[in-house]
Amino acid sequence: GAVVSQHPSWVICKSGTSVKIECRSLDFQATTMFWYRQFPKQSLMLMATSNEGSKATYEQGVEKDKFLINHASLTLSTLTVTSAHPEDSSFYICSARDSQETQYFGPGTRLLVL
Amino acid sequence: GNSVTQMEGPVTLSEEAFLTINCTYTATGYPSLFWYVQYPGEGLQLLLKATKADDKGSNKGFEATYRKETTSFHLEKGSVQVSDSAVYFCALKSGGSYIPTFGRGTSLIVHP
Repeated sequence: GAVVSQHPSWVICKSGTSVKIECRSLDFQATTMFWYRQFPKQSLMLMATSNEGSKATYEQGVEKDKFLINHASLTLSTLTVTSAHPEDSSFYICSARDSQETQYFGPGTRLLVL
Repeated sequence: GNSVTQMEGPVTLSEEAFLTINCTYTATGYPSLFWYVQYPGEGLQLLLKATKADDKGSNKGFEATYRKETTSFHLEKGSVQVSDSAVYFCALKSGGSYIPTFGRGTSLIVHP
């Protein structure tokens, strides 16, 4: 089946630094990718919808200047957490939608901000 | 709005035990219901789904029946295996949205 990868799988950074997370669809093209965030023992919360070649659509309450999304190609979307703070520590999951509108999920990236 | 409530985990079972993971929902309109599974180190995978009342989704020995009267979609398996150890997410889609609303996930641990 279709595979979505994320890199890195986990990252530890100092407060104030920026962190970039990559999401790739490995064997299909994805015009639309999604970024989710999951706090411990909580649901996956949709942060933004990323469309190739256009600006991302952010969910209410998600700061677009804080979480920069770039979907530069049909197989790659990146999420950059700018000036990260401890409260940004979370599990970030991306998914990609294929031409049949099936969503495939990446394995997630765990971010810890010290 | 839409919401999904799952039982808290972890659920710990011995191999060959019977599994039930409860899921209830609230939704506008007539939702489709899903169970996703996430094995360690992997992405969420669709396990099964049901699109209308009384439908039963099934896959890999897992089953769930869409119960409109109780707004539930409980996941069951008659005999679990160690390889079933994973996190299970209940989810719904409604109102023409292609974006699922997820529950918080339930971790299942199966011991030999």
